[in-house]
Amino acid sequence: NAGVTQTPKFQVLKTGQSMTLQCAQDMNHNSMYWYRQDPGMGLRLIYYSASEGTTDKGEVPNGYNVSRLNKREFSLRLESAAPSQTSVYFCASREDRRANNEQFFGPGTRLTVL
Amino acid sequence: DAKTTQPNSMESNEEEPVHLPCNHSTISGTDYIHWYRQLPSQGPEYVIHGLTSNVNNRMASLAIAEDRKSSTLILHRATLRDAAVYYCILRPFDFGNEKLTFGTGTRLTIIP
Repeated sequence: NAGVTQTPKFQVLKTGQSMTLQCAQDMNHNSMYWYRQDPGMGLRLIYYSASEGTTDKGEVPNGYNVSRLNKREFSLRLESAAPSQTSVYFCASREDRRANNEQFFGPGTRLTVL
Repeated sequence: DAKTTQPNSMESNEEEPVHLPCNHSTISGTDYIHWYRQLPSQGPEYVIHGLTSNVNNRMASLAIAEDRKSSTLILHRATLRDAAVYYCILRPFDFGNEKLTFGTGTRLTIIP
């Protein structure tokens, strides 16, 4: 199993450009998440999807949109990138929303917005 | 939401036990205590979790205070590969609450 995979690993954008970060998991998990991590900070939840066909806002959703394409894939879109969105983005999944389930994280996408 | 408090950093000698503390005085009765760690330039990885009783797995042990207001992650014999940021988080039992955030954690340095 590959676990949680993310593409791309690195990306540089200019202010105002758009892009989509891709995430896929092969563990048949129901719940998927997008986090951002700024330098020296913990992770903050952007959006999550409790199950296929549903999405909900997290702590810092402004400037982002998400799509739960199917059970495996959960994408994050920046419509008009801003320098404040420079960060490392992590996708995660877990079997379901029961409190005793662990989360599995991808390797991250390092995004720089100039 | 219940919050956790951890020391910003700790150091330990290689091959010695490490005790990483976490305070969560506002924990509710149904919150699970989870620990994750993040190695340099990697995504976080699950370490251990518990509710009331102490827990052991191949990576670590989790000691939970009787009143559940604090917990301690124990690495029995630290290696250089254990150098990471360790996060203590509370996961509510409430299915509707997914707004889980990771604080700044404890940066563990292992001294050879």
